[in-house]
Amino acid sequence: GAVVSQHPSWVICKSGTSVKIECRSLDFQATTMFWYRQFPKQSLMLMATSNEGSKATYEQGVEKDKFLINHASLTLSTLTVTSAHPEDSSFYICSAPVLDEQYFGPGTRLTVT
Amino acid sequence: GQQLNQSPQSMFIQEGEDVSMNCTSSSIFNTWLWYKQDPGEGPVLLIALYKAGELTSNGRLTAQFGITRKDSFLNISASIPSDVGIYFCAGQPPSGGSNYKLTFGKGTLLTVNP
Repeated sequence: GAVVSQHPSWVICKSGTSVKIECRSLDFQATTMFWYRQFPKQSLMLMATSNEGSKATYEQGVEKDKFLINHASLTLSTLTVTSAHPEDSSFYICSAPVLDEQYFGPGTRLTVT
Repeated sequence: GQQLNQSPQSMFIQEGEDVSMNCTSSSIFNTWLWYKQDPGEGPVLLIALYKAGELTSNGRLTAQFGITRKDSFLNISASIPSDVGIYFCAGQPPSGGSNYKLTFGKGTLLTVNP
């Protein structure tokens, strides 16, 4: 099956700093990738759609200036959480479609202190 | 965004028992996907369904795409301890182009007692 990786798997940062999370499709190309966040014991909430070569599209209520997305190549999308606050602490997961299926990365645990 | 109605929310069963969970929606989907998520990990795709009425198996797992295209179920037979985790259904609505947005259920937490 298709493999999606994320880096880092976990990160701790101080309030006010920025954190970048990478999402890579390892054995396929992805013109589209998706970024989700997940709070404990809850389902996945779609944050934005990352589009290679164009701007990301954000879901309602997601601040695009806070969650910067760059889809630099057909195998890499990055999510940068800017000026992080403790309430941004969450599990961030990316996914990429292969035909009609979606494959998820292993997730990145972000803790903002 | 829109969410699917997934039930039950949680299940606590004995090893060897069969398990059934389902998802329903007020709108139709073109594709139903079932995922399993272990703690601290990303969801792993278990079964994908593409046609109304389709019944697909993957080992001890069986899933069906409802005739109305508004529901799907997942069955696990002869459960084992490693089946523990959260199971999510996800549906892809009809859309043109390359819109692969998924709508997720809230998940079913499965606990298997050895």
